[in-house]
Amino acid sequence: GDSVTQMEGPVTLSEEAFLTINCTYTATGYPSLFWYVQYPGEGLQLLLKATKADDKGSNKGFEATYRKETTSFHLEKGSVQVSDSAVYFCALSERGAQKLVFGQGTRLTINP
Amino acid sequence: DSGVTQTPKHLITATGQRVTLRCSPRSGDLSVYWYQQSLDQGLQFLIQYYNGEERAKGNILERFSAQQFPDLHSELNLSSLELGDSALYFCASSVGTNQETQYFGPGTRLLVL
Repeated sequence: GDSVTQMEGPVTLSEEAFLTINCTYTATGYPSLFWYVQYPGEGLQLLLKATKADDKGSNKGFEATYRKETTSFHLEKGSVQVSDSAVYFCALSERGAQKLVFGQGTRLTINP
Repeated sequence: DSGVTQTPKHLITATGQRVTLRCSPRSGDLSVYWYQQSLDQGLQFLIQYYNGEERAKGNILERFSAQQFPDLHSELNLSSLELGDSALYFCASSVGTNQETQYFGPGTRLLVL
């Protein structure tokens, strides 16, 4: 079945550091790919998405490119802030399917 | 604020009891999804309704059931509760059913003692 694998956390960085959170997926068809973020005590918020190969999703300085050849959707940000501390989830939605399949989440902590 | 509301925010109950979680989707959204977030299982899809009809089922236990009402709000019923049912339960909504963005509510945290 479909699955999403994220890099193990937790990840701790200093402010203004470069961030990469790796995400790879397994799917039978042509999924849409998403990054969601969960701030402490809150629900999930959509961060960005991409619906086809080579699409780049971007929002709030975060970017991820849909790479079909490597089945990856890595999340990057050039300069992180303390306010980016949260748990990040990579997810996919298969065409014709209803559900989101999530990775295990990566906890990110940014120190000032 | 996603526009999806869930009540209650917190629920503490005992084993063997039954609880009902409520979700109101964003205005205009016809699909409602339920997810369970637990430490050992992560985020798992439970069930989806579209315009009152069940559309998809995931890893939902037989002790759990859900429905979507004519005003499009949804309820998730959990019965014969066990300690392992303690989790965060999220509701999400989307306009339709095909790979669309799902918007999540703040969740209901259930603690079974």
